[in-house]
Amino acid sequence: QSVLTQPPSASGTPGQRVTISCSGSSSNIATNTVNWYQHLPGTAPKLHIYSNTQRPSGVPDRISGSKSGTSASLAISGLQSEDEADYYCAAWDDSLNAYVFGTGTKVTVL
Amino acid sequence: QVHLVQSGAEVKKPGASVKVSCKASGYTFTNHYLHWVRQAPGQGLEWMGGIDPNSGDTNYAQKFRGRATMTRDTSISTAYMELSRLRSDDTALYYCAITILSGALFDYWGQGTLLTVSS
Repeated sequence: QSVLTQPPSASGTPGQRVTISCSGSSSNIATNTVNWYQHLPGTAPKLHIYSNTQRPSGVPDRISGSKSGTSASLAISGLQSEDEADYYCAAWDDSLNAYVFGTGTKVTVL
Repeated sequence: QVHLVQSGAEVKKPGASVKVSCKASGYTFTNHYLHWVRQAPGQGLEWMGGIDPNSGDTNYAQKFRGRATMTRDTSISTAYMELSRLRSDDTALYYCAITILSGALFDYWGQGTLLTVSS
């Protein structure tokens, strides 16, 4: 089972802001960087945020990440239909000596 | 341009083994650690482990130690993931992934290989 906990779902209307949380512990989020992925069914996951707050080239600036203590968040501003997907956080876990993913959050655009 | 191209879908019986390949191009194969991640139906992403293509050193998630074997052939820039003693709950999409961007994690992925384990 995942050691990073996310809400199972989040939703908003077009143009709204949606925030997804990722709760971890002292052995993962507190001491290592957090990455976020967008995953559409049948396709490979796409890196959206790395090193807690950085966006890879091609990811719009309405996508942002933050981290505080043992938790991290992904925010999507100006929600668009193309944002409808599953989102996962990931980090290294020092105790498990393994990468761990969050439980995943399904974002729905109403 | 970085590409990771995986082998095709597999159907196996319980107890059998499967070997999935991941052919890399567009970058120096031996310079970047290669990981394997899977997603079972209706489940989340799960890191299985990875291999240093330069040295061949591996690191497996506890859950897969003893059952997964990750190898590579540097002459053809290809990594392999073999999973033995297959069970029905190994039915999943298996991805290979690498990190190119400094400070990032898994910024390039293969297209995925569907493994179905069924009697």
